[in-house]
Parts: sequence; C-alpha cells; structure tokens
Amino acid sequence: QKEVEQNSGPLSVPEGAIASLNCTYSDRGSQSFFWYRQYSGKSPELIMSIYSNGDKEDGRFTAQLNKASQYVSLLIRDSQPSDSATYLCAAATGGGNKLTFGTGTQLKVEL
Amino acid sequence: GAVVSQHPSRVICKSGTSVKIECRSLDFQATTMFWYRQFPKKSLMLMATSNEGSKATYEQGVEKDKFLINHASLTLSTLTVTSAHPEDSSFYICSARDRVGTGGTDTQYFGPGTRLTVL
Repeated sequence: QKEVEQNSGPLSVPEGAIASLNCTYSDRGSQSFFWYRQYSGKSPELIMSIYSNGDKEDGRFTAQLNKASQYVSLLIRDSQPSDSATYLCAAATGGGNKLTFGTGTQLKVEL
Repeated sequence: GAVVSQHPSRVICKSGTSVKIECRSLDFQATTMFWYRQFPKKSLMLMATSNEGSKATYEQGVEKDKFLINHASLTLSTLTVTSAHPEDSSFYICSARDRVGTGGTDTQYFGPGTRLTVL
C-alpha cells in the first residue's frame, strides 16, 4: 500500500510567522512530489512541485525534499490569513501516471 | 496557462437519472486525465485514469459500469454517473496531466469540481 502521511492539524500560526507543513511517503519509487492548497468547497490548486533533494523556493513558499528520509515539507513565510486552507501533499510514482494524496493538513493563520 | 474547466459546477438530480460531467483542458493537451471524488473533510480518492483514445483504467472498488468515462480528444474527458443514487452525492474533481508544460510531465492541474447532489 503506497501511502502519503500528513498530520491533519489544525496547525495554527500567527500572521507573519512561518508555517511548516510536513509529509512522509512510503514508496521509495516516488519520483515527484507536489503541494496543493485546497480552500473549503474548492478544488486543489498547485502550489509547488519538487523532484530533487534539497530546497526549492517560489516566493513565500519553500518546498524541501529528503528522499533518504522519505520526507517532504512546505514552508510558508510571512503567513497571511488568506493562506488558511488545507494543504495536500502528493507523490507520483511509476512514471508519474498517478498521484497518491495525503489526507491534508489544515492550516489556520490567525490575526 | 494550465487551466482546466469542469461543467457543470453543481448539479442536483433525482435518483435513477444519469449525469454527465465534462472536463476540459483549455490551453494544453492532456493525453491523460484523472477523475477523483471527495467526501466532506476527506482527501481525494482517485476513481479512474482516462487516456485519450483508449479505455479508462478504474481503481479497485470503482464500478466501471456505473461511472462511464470517455476521453474522446486531447482536451476533453467526460464522466457519466449512471442511475445515480443518494450515496453517489459527492464532489467530483477532474485533473489533467500537462504533457509538456513547465510544471513537468507529472504535474496535474485540477478542474474546479462538480458538486453532485442526488435526491
């Protein structure tokens, strides 16, 4: 069973702080990893993709991948109330044809 | 770029009727599209993988005769829920894999979803 695990939260951070979201995966064959943001009642929106070990930065978002530890994380700097959403971690395996999603972490950014 | 549309966004139907949901990739070609369903406060559950010009591949436990998928072109896939029942009420979301976009060959972009309510 290929699994992606996330803490369901909620994770509460004050506005302006760094939010750290974590994800582990069980399939060592996973090659690509994605973070999606999903607002309540809406569909997921791609935030970041990462394929190589290390960090990848895009604006306020930084994705981190450690394949040896089978660990992916997403850092959100200067968190805003509009960042409040559920963040889904996903892993692609076997040529990337399917994504396995975690159950998501709910993030709440408080004023 | 990488926009996926879905139609309708919301549908209410009577039990026993069939409902068709369309998924379109608007600015890229998608040889592969995916259909998911999501129950409240749950994660996405992959129902099937739709490949242009061939039969869909269904996940274990998904009835292929109930959820008919057609992927007739590189930009359109349809999901038909046949003889819908109240337990089929859910949020149905499609995604399209961008074959050559900057997001990489594995990147899936999601449509806005279709909320189905079966009375």
